[in-house]
Amino acid sequence: KQEVTQIPAALSVPEGENLVLNCSFTDSAIYNLQWFRQDPGKGLTSLLLIQSSQREQTSGRLNASLDKSSGRSTLYIAASQPGDSATYLCAAPNTGNQFYFGTGTSLTVIP
Amino acid sequence: EPEVTQTPSHQVTQMGQEVILRCVPISNHLYFYWYRQILGQKVEFLVSFYNNEISEKSEIFDDQFSVERPDGSNFTLKIRSTKLEDSAMYFCASSVGRVDTQYFGPGTRLTVL
Repeated sequence: KQEVTQIPAALSVPEGENLVLNCSFTDSAIYNLQWFRQDPGKGLTSLLLIQSSQREQTSGRLNASLDKSSGRSTLYIAASQPGDSATYLCAAPNTGNQFYFGTGTSLTVIP
Repeated sequence: EPEVTQTPSHQVTQMGQEVILRCVPISNHLYFYWYRQILGQKVEFLVSFYNNEISEKSEIFDDQFSVERPDGSNFTLKIRSTKLEDSAMYFCASSVGRVDTQYFGPGTRLTVL
């Protein structure tokens, strides 16, 4: 069974800082990995999907990397803004299309 | 931009009652999913659905749960006899293909009293 872990559980940074969120997974036989954002009491917003053949994926100020061999992915957020405050979730599949989620990193960007 | 929609946003029911949660996936998507998130816990996979049948389900998805695509647009999750522990946020998601981005709806908060 896939186990997904996210570190740190919570992070507080001043506005403008660059930051890295970490995700690790136990079963490296994945075909993709997806990063989401969740605002309090809301649904999940897809941020980036990295296919297993890719090492990086970028969208605006976000960059996600994937290292299957080490079972790790990182989400890099450049020039953080207060609007980035949310919980960031990493999800990795099993051999089917059943996604396993981490517990998330709760990010607070202080103005 | 197309999005997944879910109704109702909040459902309150008595223990033992049946509930149906409704979802309208993005129109050209072929794979549909249900997840749940108990307050303060991880998002958990329940079931995936493709070509009018269940393609995968978790241990959570027991005989009390069923899914259906009754027409060309709706995708439903039925819980036959709700328990207190079924109280959670239920999310519907859809994707074009099996390995493509999953887009989530806003969720239905189910409260079982």
